[in-house]
Amino acid sequence: GAVVSQHPSRVICKSGTSVKIECRSLDFQATTMFWYRQFPKKSLMLMATSNEGSKATYEQGVEKDKFLINHASLTLSTLTVTSAHPEDSSFYICSARDPRGPPDTQYFGPGTRLTVL
Amino acid sequence: AQRVTQPEKLLSVFKGAPVELKCNYSYSGSPELFWYVQYSRQRLQLLLRHISRESIKGFTADLNKGETSFHLKKPFAQEEDSAMYYCALKTGANNLFFGTGTRLTVIP
Repeated sequence: GAVVSQHPSRVICKSGTSVKIECRSLDFQATTMFWYRQFPKKSLMLMATSNEGSKATYEQGVEKDKFLINHASLTLSTLTVTSAHPEDSSFYICSARDPRGPPDTQYFGPGTRLTVL
Repeated sequence: AQRVTQPEKLLSVFKGAPVELKCNYSYSGSPELFWYVQYSRQRLQLLLRHISRESIKGFTADLNKGETSFHLKKPFAQEEDSAMYYCALKTGANNLFFGTGTRLTVIP
């Protein structure tokens, strides 16, 4: 099946710094990728939909200047948390749709745990 | 606004016993529902979708529009079924709206 990877798997950074998280589709081209955030003991919350070659679509309440998304190629989307603060600490998960498969299926990456000190 | 409710955070059953993970939804449009599963140390993956009306790993789920439910069922639980289960509602063209999840533990 389709495989999605994320890098890094965990990152610890100081408050005020920026952190970039990569999401790659390894064996397929993904025109659409999704970024989720998962708070402890809570569900996954969709942050934004990343479309290759165009601007990301952000969900209500998600600051686009805070969470920069770039989908420059069909296999890579990046999420940059700018000027990170402790409240940005969370588990970030990306997913991608494989155009070869069922249209509703999303393939998830393993997630990135961000800790902001 | 859409809502997906999974009332049980934790559910424990004995091996061989029936299991039902509850999911209720609220959505003004035509609902499309999914169950995703996350096994220990693995990533989230699709288990089944209501449109397919399929049985995967012995699990089935029927969409009941009258009760706005999409409960996941298996007649005989196995130890390898222990995992985190998320009910998800498709909203819009691509978006998935997830419930808070139920952790299923199958006791040997």
